[in-house]
Amino acid sequence: GESVGLHLPTLSVQEGDNSIINCAYSNSASDYFIWYKQESGKGPQFIIDIRSNMDKRQGQRVTVLLNKTVKHLSLQIAATQPGDSAVYFCAENTGNQFYFGTGTSLTVIP
Amino acid sequence: DSGVTQTPKHLITATGQRVTLRCSPRSGDLSVYWYQQSLDQGLQFLIQYYNGEERAKGNILERFSAQQFPDLHSELNLSSLELGDSALYFCASSVTVAGNTIYFGEGSWLTVV
Repeated sequence: GESVGLHLPTLSVQEGDNSIINCAYSNSASDYFIWYKQESGKGPQFIIDIRSNMDKRQGQRVTVLLNKTVKHLSLQIAATQPGDSAVYFCAENTGNQFYFGTGTSLTVIP
Repeated sequence: DSGVTQTPKHLITATGQRVTLRCSPRSGDLSVYWYQQSLDQGLQFLIQYYNGEERAKGNILERFSAQQFPDLHSELNLSSLELGDSALYFCASSVTVAGNTIYFGEGSWLTVV
């Protein structure tokens, strides 16, 4: 029979291209955001974070952009590599709680 | 390696049984979170402890309970297990209760048969 599961948005990119993963958050009071990478069977791994007083933050090969007006967060990965294949999800912090998006599955095509 | 340690990594048990999952937070972290991740519901917040006290509760069933001990390690107890409880259970920790990065362990994979 057909399996039932969480249908994640998917993104396929060619190795070496840039990837952009988007996230819409729900609470305008959220003041801290984190992007996580989760490989199959492993725990979510911290990639980069940003606070609400910033619009952009850069790390190694990754950039996070925050648009508070439309409550949108994006993760840009430069020169995507096969090891970047994973599920990526954003988390928003409101008060003492984190709320997680359902994630985007990134596949890098060699 | 996030520094958060979870045991066991894998567990298979029968319906109706009880299991205990254990978590050691990162050194210096006072806050511990428990999350459930299943195929059809993504990452669901269960409960949070800070320095031994419960701080927030999410979608945690009455059959489930948790505690944080004086040495800051935490345990998640799952009882009267049902097939639907099969999932990955993650522990995460952070320095304080709010506004800081939370780091996840590698998870405990529970299969109920």
